[in-house]
Amino acid sequence: AQTVTQSQPEMSVQEAETVTLSCTYDTSESNYYLFWYKQPPSRQMILVIRQEAYKQQNATENRFSVNFQKAAKSFSLKISDSQLGDTAMYFCAFEIKAAGNKLTFGGGTRVLVKP
Amino acid sequence: NAGVTQTPKFQVLKTGQSMTLQCAQDMNHEYMSWYRQDPGMGLRLIHYSVGAGITDQGEVPNGYNVSRSTTEDFPLRLLSAAPSQTSVYFCASSYWGTDEAFFGQGTRLTVV
Repeated sequence: AQTVTQSQPEMSVQEAETVTLSCTYDTSESNYYLFWYKQPPSRQMILVIRQEAYKQQNATENRFSVNFQKAAKSFSLKISDSQLGDTAMYFCAFEIKAAGNKLTFGGGTRVLVKP
Repeated sequence: NAGVTQTPKFQVLKTGQSMTLQCAQDMNHEYMSWYRQDPGMGLRLIHYSVGAGITDQGEVPNGYNVSRSTTEDFPLRLLSAAPSQTSVYFCASSYWGTDEAFFGQGTRLTVV
């Protein structure tokens, strides 16, 4: 079974600053995906960024980037130039490739962006 | 394009009552899943389906039933509601062979 751990329950950051969220996971699989999801107060689950395990290059989506360390089983998310709209819960998630919408989630990190 | 639609958005049940949470997607996705989200926790998988007529259990299946008679619909049935089933329920769907799950807006269920 896979496990995903987010060790930071809550983080705050000043607007325009950078914040990094930590995620570690445990698996014996070699072919998998990792995701970061954002959940604003509306509770909608929004995909922020994804990473395929076989890809060495770290994924980037605008102000969001990841640091994927496969050997260490670490997958951190960096939010640059934080905006008030980034205030939300952020969940790290794992999925075995081609397993079919069977995500394993971490416990989440609440991010508060302060003006 | 509606995406993944869940109904109802809110529901209050009495202990022992049964009900069905509805989930429908219009994207012709093969995969569909149900998750629950408890306070301070991430989502946990209840049941999933890889296609019409095929379902299987996830991490927390007890107290729930599912069926998948069509590609579009994946209802979740609570057989006899218990306070421990108070949670927010999410339905999600995705294409075979892709990595992006599309989520519904969730159903907040309270069992009193």
